[in-house]
Amino acid sequence: GDSVTQMEGPVTLSEEAFLTINCTYTATGYPSLFWYVQYPGEGLQLLLKATKADDKGSNKGFEATYRKETTSFHLEKGSVQVSDSAVYFCALEAFTGNQFYFGTGTSLTVIP
Amino acid sequence: KAGVTQTPRYLIKTRGQQVTLSCSPISGHRSVSWYQQTPGQGLQFLFEYFSETQRNKGNFPGRFSGRQFSNSRSEMNVSTLELGDSALYLCASSPGLGRTDTQYFGPGTRLTVL
Repeated sequence: GDSVTQMEGPVTLSEEAFLTINCTYTATGYPSLFWYVQYPGEGLQLLLKATKADDKGSNKGFEATYRKETTSFHLEKGSVQVSDSAVYFCALEAFTGNQFYFGTGTSLTVIP
Repeated sequence: KAGVTQTPRYLIKTRGQQVTLSCSPISGHRSVSWYQQTPGQGLQFLFEYFSETQRNKGNFPGRFSGRQFSNSRSEMNVSTLELGDSALYLCASSPGLGRTDTQYFGPGTRLTVL
């Protein structure tokens, strides 16, 4: 079945460091791919998405490219800030319907 | 536009009791999905409703049930609560069933079972 595997955390970075959180997926057909962010005590917020191969989603300095050949959707940011500290979830929406599959989440802490 | 709202935000129950959680989707959204989030299992899909019909169901026991009303508001019910049901329950809404429809999440209901 469809699934998402993302990099285990926690990840701790210094401010202005480069961030990569790896995400790979297994899916039938052509899923849509998402990154969600969850701040402490809150629900999930959509960070970015890509709906077809080679699409690049971007938002707030974060980017991820839908790579069908490597079944990956890695999240990157060139210079992280303390305010980026949160848990990041990679997710896919099945091609066949409106069902989402989430990775286990990667906790990011950015220290000044 | 108001976001997804969930009530109550926090709930404490004892084993054996039942609980009902409520979700009001973004105005105009017709699809509502429910998820259980726990530290050990992460986010797990419970079920999805569209136009008052359950369209998808995750791998949860029958103690977990839900429904959707004509105004798209949804409720989730858990009967005979167990300690393992303690979790953050998240509701998400989307406009419809389009593949590019984004899910928008509410803040969640934190359920603690004692």
